[in-house]
Amino acid sequence: ELKVEQNPLFLSMQEGKNYTIYCNYSTTSDRLYWYRQDPGKSLESLFVLLSNGAVKQEGRLMASLDTKARLSTLHITAAVHDLSATYFCAVDMGYGGSQGNLIFGKGTKLSVKP
Amino acid sequence: NAGVMQNPRHLVRRRGQEARLRCSPMKGHSHVYWYRQLPEEGLKFMVYLQKENIIDESGMPKERFSAEFPKEGPSILRIQQVVRGDSAAYFCASSGLSKAKNIQYFGAGTRLSVL
Repeated sequence: ELKVEQNPLFLSMQEGKNYTIYCNYSTTSDRLYWYRQDPGKSLESLFVLLSNGAVKQEGRLMASLDTKARLSTLHITAAVHDLSATYFCAVDMGYGGSQGNLIFGKGTKLSVKP
Repeated sequence: NAGVMQNPRHLVRRRGQEARLRCSPMKGHSHVYWYRQLPEEGLKFMVYLQKENIIDESGMPKERFSAEFPKEGPSILRIQQVVRGDSAAYFCASSGLSKAKNIQYFGAGTRLSVL
């Protein structure tokens, strides 16, 4: 059974600081997704990582994927209050191009304080 | 291009009643996924459907839960004889034909409360 573990689960940061969220998964997969969820809202797609060594950046967020280590990271640079949300990583159960359901981590609840 | 539409947004049911949750995928999408989210938890996969077919229902409870995606109309997640433990947010996602990326776009969810 595929397991996806995120850490930390809770993260309180000061504005302007940097931090990294980690996502480990237990079996082979070649695609990983990062989503953001604001309280009471739906999930917004942030990044799609499709190959080993993939790196994507959008604003203050940067995501990377190491399929050999089964690890993805979401790096936050110079955090601002607007980044406060819960961030989920999700691994696609399909492999090699097949369509599959997503297995989600428990989420990292990020709070950025002034 | 309208996103994934779910209704109702909030649903209150008494124990023993039936709950029907609806999901209209994004235009052009033929793959629909249902997930359940308990408070402070990640999403748990329930079922994956294409038009008129259930592709993967490995996450569906064996009893009381069913899902369909008819040729015409929205996908329906049906919960019979609801119990308090069914209280959760239910999210629907859809994706298009691109198997390479399989980006799933989520609806706003239906928050089910069982009294």
